[in-house]
This record gives sequence, structure tokens and C-alpha cells, in this order.
Amino acid sequence: QVQLVQSGADVKQPGASVKVSCRVSGHILLELSIHWVRQAPGKGFEWMGGFDPDHGETLYAERFQGRVTLTEDTSTETAYMELGSLTHDDTAVYYCATGFRASTDHYWGQGTVITVSS
Amino acid sequence: DIVMTQSPLSLPVTPGEPASISCRSSQTLLRDSNGYNYLDWYLQRPGQSPQLLIYLGSHRASGVPDRFSGSGSGTDFTLKISSVEAEDVGVYFCMQTLQTPFTFGPGTRVDIK
Repeated sequence: QVQLVQSGADVKQPGASVKVSCRVSGHILLELSIHWVRQAPGKGFEWMGGFDPDHGETLYAERFQGRVTLTEDTSTETAYMELGSLTHDDTAVYYCATGFRASTDHYWGQGTVITVSS
Repeated sequence: DIVMTQSPLSLPVTPGEPASISCRSSQTLLRDSNGYNYLDWYLQRPGQSPQLLIYLGSHRASGVPDRFSGSGSGTDFTLKISSVEAEDVGVYFCMQTLQTPFTFGPGTRVDIK
């Protein structure tokens, strides 16, 4: 059974950075294209970025460009999303997900609550 | 960016009755080169992660009951539930993956009358 297991909730101060992990079990990370999506309280979903296998590159939403970095550690089957220069508006549930644009391997992590508070 | 809209935003349903949700995009989601519409439907039950129901416009995801179906092409899409069950309550949203940034509809909240 494939699972995406995310790191636990965290509280950060404005201006800090946060790094959320997404560990893959039951599958091989290299065979999945990991994307990151967030949902702020009372708001809709927002795509942050993800891997495009057609071009072999990581794509980022323009509004997060320069502030978000997506990485992968194949030795531990773990993907990471690091978001810097946090503001209160970054308070949200952050999800890793796979299977976008694909016919198989559709999975979401359980979500990680990130609270930005002074 | 492609803007996604949904209607209705709230849908009270009666178990056993059909239900339908509409999703529209500001640009076509049809890729001519392969004939696929890059439109997915999800259900987010309270306190849970989103669950994929329909991918590429009309393809039911693995394990999804056949009472769920997706149709449409271009800019107009519909999710239908042939006979609503109590477990179908939650927020349904559409998502386009034709071009980045991928964008989502605002969601349709479905609850039991």
C-alpha cells in the first residue's frame, strides 16, 4: 500500500523558514512526481510546485518563485518543501501529492499544519 | 492563470437522489495532441486529505464507486453522482493540470438535507 507520510505540525515566526518532509512508502520516490499544494484557513487550494517528468525539471508557481525550494532525497525516499520569508499569510495546511497529469499513482499525504505566529 | 469556477457552491442532497456539480475553466483544458482534458475531480471529506474521484475529465480513479462519473470537454465539465449516499458528504473541487500554475475551483459543499 502506497503512503505519503508528512512531518508534523510546526509553528514559525514571521521571517523564518520551514521545511516540510514527505516520506514515500510502498513505492519508489524516483517513479513518482511529487507536487506540493497548500490550503489556507477558509480558502481554496493553491499549487506551489512539482516535478514535471516530461521535461525532467521542477516547476514552481510564479508567486512562490524565489521563496520555495523542492528537493528529494532518494536514499530515504523523502521529498521536501522549504518555504522561506514566512508571513502570517503562509499559515496553511501543506500537502504533498502525486499523480497529477497521470493515469496512475494518485496519492496525497495527510497534510502538515504550518502556523506563522509572532 | 486559468481561472476555475464551480456551481453551485453549496448543494443539499437527499440520499438515493442524483446530484450534479458544474466546473468551468477560463481557457480550454483540451490538449489537441492527445485528446485529453486536463481536469480532475476531488472529494475532501471533513478532516481528511483530498481523494481523487475522476482524472483527465472522465476517467474514474481506482476504487471509486461507479455512481461517480465525469463528463465534458474544453471549458465545461460536470461531475455526477447517480445516487447519493451518506458517505458522499464533503467538499468537491475541480482542478486543472493543463498548464502551470495548476489551479483549483473554489469547491462545492455537499451535505445531506
